[in-house]
Amino acid sequence: GNSVTQMEGPVTLSEEAFLTINCTYTATGYPSLFWYVQYPGEGLQLLLKATKADDKGSNKGFEATYRKETTSFHLEKGSVQVSDSAVYFCALSDPNTGGFKTIFGAGTRLFVKA
Amino acid sequence: NAGVTQTPKFQVLKTGQSMTLQCAQDMNHNSMYWYRQDPGMGLRLIYYSASEGTTDKGEVPNGYNVSRLNKREFSLRLESAAPSQTSVYFCASSGQGTGSSEQYFGPGTRLTVT
Repeated sequence: GNSVTQMEGPVTLSEEAFLTINCTYTATGYPSLFWYVQYPGEGLQLLLKATKADDKGSNKGFEATYRKETTSFHLEKGSVQVSDSAVYFCALSDPNTGGFKTIFGAGTRLFVKA
Repeated sequence: NAGVTQTPKFQVLKTGQSMTLQCAQDMNHNSMYWYRQDPGMGLRLIYYSASEGTTDKGEVPNGYNVSRLNKREFSLRLESAAPSQTSVYFCASSGQGTGSSEQYFGPGTRLTVT
């Protein structure tokens, strides 16, 4: 079945460091891919998305490229800030169900130190 | 524009008690979802409603029932709570329910069953 695997956390970085959070997926067909972010005590909110191969999603300095050949959607940011501390979820939208069944990874917690 | 609202924010139940979690959205979205979030497991879909008048099971529906009361409201009921249902519950909505549409999440309900 469809699945999403992302790197385990927590990831601890110093401010201005480079961030990569790895995400790989298994899916039949052509899913849409998402990164969601969850700040403490809040619900998830969309960070970025990509709907087809080679698309690059970007927002707030974060980027991820839909790589069909490696079934990956790694999240990157060139210079993290303390305010980026949160839990990041990679997700895919199951095309076999019309997109209603989004599958989430387990989440990666990021701590950024000043 | 409140987005997705959930009540209550916190709840403690004893085993065997029942309760209903309420969710409402004011974005005129067609599709609504209920998820549970457990440590290390990401979000798992309990039930979803692709459109008003329809509901379908997700990954973990056992022990739950749902009602799509109207386009705005989607409730989740626990008929006989069990300790395994201790979790954080999130409601979400999406505009088209297609593979590329993002979901908007409420702030969550933290439920403890003793």
